[in-house]
Amino acid sequence: AQKITQTQPGMFVQEKEAVTLDCTYDTSDPSYGLFWYKQPSSGEMIFLIYQGSYDQQNATEGRYSLNFQKARKSANLVISASQLGDSAMYFCAMRHDFGNEKLTFGTGTRLTIIP
Amino acid sequence: GAVVSQHPSRVICKSGTSVKIECRSLDFQATTMFWYRQFPKQSLMLMATSNEGSKATYEQGVEKDKFLINHASLTLSTLTVTSAHPEDSSFYICSARRTDYSPYEQYFGPGTRLTVT
Repeated sequence: AQKITQTQPGMFVQEKEAVTLDCTYDTSDPSYGLFWYKQPSSGEMIFLIYQGSYDQQNATEGRYSLNFQKARKSANLVISASQLGDSAMYFCAMRHDFGNEKLTFGTGTRLTIIP
Repeated sequence: GAVVSQHPSRVICKSGTSVKIECRSLDFQATTMFWYRQFPKQSLMLMATSNEGSKATYEQGVEKDKFLINHASLTLSTLTVTSAHPEDSSFYICSARRTDYSPYEQYFGPGTRLTVT
């Protein structure tokens, strides 16, 4: 069965510092996708970044980058130059590329940026 | 582009009544929509997958007679919570998948907070 593990329930980071949010996954599928979403207190799920299992390079989107280590089955999110507005819940998710392509979510990490 | 709306954003209902939540893809067609449930301080749990023109596929442990899903068009899926009870109080989020393939294919709605008194 597919599983996503986020071991950091909460993190506090000083503004302007970089932060790494951990995510490990377990799957037997050869093809899959990994996502990071941000959920502010308003509740909406905001897509941040995507990494395909066959992508050779780590994904980057502005201040967000994904440190993809396939052999270790990890997909950590790196946020550079953190801002107060980055305070939110962050979820790692995996898409199964076969079947109905549903997403499995991790338990999330609550990130708090300290001014 | 790729905007998904949900209505209502908040609803309070009495125990025993039914509540309908709408999920619409505003600027794209969605053959598949997903319904999630999120309890406070917890992750999103997939409830069911809704395919246009066919019956929804429910995840294990989700009562299909209690959570009725209808995907009547390529832009609209509805979730009806029947005979609601206080334990059904939760945050319900839908997502929609585009018909044209893209790795970012699931777009989420803003969620509906249901409170059953």
